[in-house]
Amino acid sequence: DAEITQSPRHKITETGRQVTLACHQTWNHNNMFWYRQDLGHGLRLIHYSYGVQDTNKGEVSDGYSVSRSNTEDLPLTLESAASSQTSVYFCASSESTNAVGGEQFFGPGTRLTVL
Amino acid sequence: LAKTTQPISMDSYEGQEVNITCSHNNIATNDYITWYQQFPSQGPRFIIQGYKTKVTNEVASLFIPADRKSSTLSLPRVSLSDTAVYYCLVGGAYSGAGSYQLTFGKGTKLSVIP
Repeated sequence: DAEITQSPRHKITETGRQVTLACHQTWNHNNMFWYRQDLGHGLRLIHYSYGVQDTNKGEVSDGYSVSRSNTEDLPLTLESAASSQTSVYFCASSESTNAVGGEQFFGPGTRLTVL
Repeated sequence: LAKTTQPISMDSYEGQEVNITCSHNNIATNDYITWYQQFPSQGPRFIIQGYKTKVTNEVASLFIPADRKSSTLSLPRVSLSDTAVYYCLVGGAYSGAGSYQLTFGKGTKLSVIP
């Protein structure tokens, strides 16, 4: 069955370290998204991509970067982790050709703790 | 950037109809309205999407008035398994320089009581 996976599921790191969170989907969806979820804030969009070599900034992109070298993967990199980036991170994908319309399929999430 | 407002929490008894309203006063012309359900330690799951008027699927209905400044998710005859957090998502309008906006509400925690 097609699916979307995230790894690792849990990560503890130290302030200043570079961290990369993986996201892999097997639906062959063009659109992929990264969100962070914090208590009191709901889900906030970090970055998104509408296809290979396409990336765009979301609402809370500072301190994060993404790259899209193939259809299946959109890794999220924290260049220099900060305690404010402690959060649960969700990756999602969708097949909609209408930009952000359509159903997004979410991964199980990665819980990141920055000490 | 569209701002969305939802009630923080709601309680309902089993078998009742539940209506959750999301306010999005500055929704853009091309924005869609989408609702998601989330259980603890899981990613959100799509429920329903609409643009205007009423949309119905096998699990819910979505009511959108003509001015589109709010939307109401209706869950018929809820059961204990519907206890979850419900999010409205507004977005899709092109905001310039190749970017689109997606704004989730902060979520409504629905508790279904036996």
